[in-house]
Amino acid sequence: GEDVEQSLFLSVREGDSSVINCTYTDSSSTYLYWYKQEPGAGLQLLTYIFSNMDMKQDQRLTVLLNKKDKHLSLRIADTQTGDSAIYFCAESMEYKLSFGAGTTVTVRA
Amino acid sequence: DVKVTQSSRYLVKRTGEKVFLECVQDMDHENMFWYRQDPGLGLRLIYFSYDVKMKEKGDIPEGYSVSREKKERFSLILESASTNQTSMYLCASSVQGAATNEKLFFGSGTQLSVL
Repeated sequence: GEDVEQSLFLSVREGDSSVINCTYTDSSSTYLYWYKQEPGAGLQLLTYIFSNMDMKQDQRLTVLLNKKDKHLSLRIADTQTGDSAIYFCAESMEYKLSFGAGTTVTVRA
Repeated sequence: DVKVTQSSRYLVKRTGEKVFLECVQDMDHENMFWYRQDPGLGLRLIYFSYDVKMKEKGDIPEGYSVSREKKERFSLILESASTNQTSMYLCASSVQGAATNEKLFFGSGTQLSVL
């Protein structure tokens, strides 16, 4: 979606941290989401953050939200080969989701 | 676990054909959605439905229609397929509610090629 922007590619070494960035436009979004798409599969909800939070941590995943700059990031600690996928940022707009173009994360040994 | 099943993984059709893409979910979800996914463009919403026999246009409805005769089934119809409708089509569903409308469960997708 044109309202949600993210970089298209990220290459990271196994064991390093990955950081995927996203900017969105609708300041009234209640939730912001990260979805993951593995090869040959549909999307699955990875994590989400409520708009009144700054940070959310879930095991190896950390979501940071900067509402002032409308910037969302997803950090994956200790990146593994199974983390190779396309990651989509999404903002809620009137109970529907607007998705970014997706960031393809490639994990190299 | 919620299961969203799309009837075909791959489809090849000819220009001008009428194409039906079927989607079934087994968790009694009220909301169902059809997206298309194109490289560099992400997911774009074609149509959605909040109830049986109800449909709403998404961002790119032109050239498509939908049918929801039963709660569990949401069909996407290409009345006269064109080459620019070659794409990956993803169906999704969600439970109705302020906190759950947007927690989508996706099918595996149908890769449609129109020749």
